[in-house]
Amino acid sequence: NAGVMQNPRHLVRRRGQEARLRCSPMKGHSHVYWYRQLPEEGLKFMVYLQKENIIDESGMPKERFSAEFPKEGPSILRIQQVVRGDSAAYFCASSPTGYPTGELFFGEGSRLTVL
Amino acid sequence: EDKVVQSPLSLVVHEGDTVTLNCSYEVTNFRSLLWYKQEKKAPTFLFMLTSSGIEKKSGRLSSILDKKELFSILNITATQTGDSAVYLCAVDPNRDDKIIFGKGTRLHILP
Repeated sequence: NAGVMQNPRHLVRRRGQEARLRCSPMKGHSHVYWYRQLPEEGLKFMVYLQKENIIDESGMPKERFSAEFPKEGPSILRIQQVVRGDSAAYFCASSPTGYPTGELFFGEGSRLTVL
Repeated sequence: EDKVVQSPLSLVVHEGDTVTLNCSYEVTNFRSLLWYKQEKKAPTFLFMLTSSGIEKKSGRLSSILDKKELFSILNITATQTGDSAVYLCAVDPNRDDKIIFGKGTRLHILP
């Protein structure tokens, strides 16, 4: 029973390039959450998606960031024209229901480094 | 603005010691408080607390919530080196499905 799968685990990009981070939720989970963790900081909410719908993107920067969760395939967090400040660990979590019972299942994170 | 504040930010103790981690919060609405343990990989769920004064226990870990004073503590007794991790406190404010995390307490257990 695979957990939440994220890839790539590590990604290095130069300023101005695009970064794509993927998240496959646990089997049977249709709710996905993306969090960003800066060094020495807590997890900060970015976006909550259900299949084919963005439910809440209030934590997403207004520009360069987008997320999707298509009917088929993983959820994707896309960062265009990356800047050094985008360097962080990006965690995906999934839950079986729309209102988390508390037990969010987290992936191992994707660590983005922008040179 | 909703916020979760954890203290201390870091803690170093010797194996066998007992530690208490603190979490205070300010939220407009409250549904539950959550504790997670984060080692080098993904945060793993420890406890969910919804009612005041009811202690939750799992082995050497226990946690309790005070909804009047708006805080929670996480206790670890007889610490082991495997307890070294960042412990994250989070609050579900019953709004927009966003769980708000504190910055975590980095615990290091010396052998």
